[in-house]
Amino acid sequence: QAQLVQSGSDLREPGASVKVSCKASTYTFTKYAMNWVRQAPGQGLEWLGWINTDTGNPTYAQGFTGRLVFSLDTSVSTAYLQISSLKAEDTAVYYCARGEGLCSDNRCYFRHWGQGTLVTVSS
Amino acid sequence: QAVLTQPSSLSASPGASASLTCTLRSGIDVGSYRIYWYKQKPGSPPQYLLNYRSDSDKQRDSGVPSRFSGSKDASANAGILLISGLQSEDEGDYYCMIWHYSAVVFGGGTKLAVL
Repeated sequence: QAQLVQSGSDLREPGASVKVSCKASTYTFTKYAMNWVRQAPGQGLEWLGWINTDTGNPTYAQGFTGRLVFSLDTSVSTAYLQISSLKAEDTAVYYCARGEGLCSDNRCYFRHWGQGTLVTVSS
Repeated sequence: QAVLTQPSSLSASPGASASLTCTLRSGIDVGSYRIYWYKQKPGSPPQYLLNYRSDSDKQRDSGVPSRFSGSKDASANAGILLISGLQSEDEGDYYCMIWHYSAVVFGGGTKLAVL
């Protein structure tokens, strides 16, 4: 059973940046894409994009390009999400989710999720 | 208009069946899409349930009871998650998902109450 363990909650001021980590274990990290999904308090799920863990190539959801950066450290099987120029509206729980199937073929889905990281943006 | 529309809430009695709909925006043909369904309990990440494209192309995740099934209503341009024999543990938020123009889109979610 794949395990994804995320970093702890974070409080940031507007305009700052935050970096969330997602450490994978019990499977070969580079064999599955990593997706990022967020959920604002009391709201639904919003997909942020995915990163090819083999090539490092990221794909960002429309509307986020420029403020989001997906990165990897394959030596420690960890994916990162960095968000810059934080706004209050970025307050949300951020999830990493392993892509089952081919995300590059628009066919992947999310069986394994991290526990979520609450990022609060407030002055 | 949102790409995927789900009713915000639905309630049903224990033992009854619940049909959760996921309506695709006009102009987006449900027949061309694979619909994925997730369930989420408060404070937990979503749980993948199943996906449905057609009766010959569908998959329920291992461990998901056969009470959960997917279908489509072409006349309503909607994907459907049918839960039969409702139990109290079926309460939660249910989300549909599709891949649309190389991006994942989630529906707004339906809160299912079993009472």
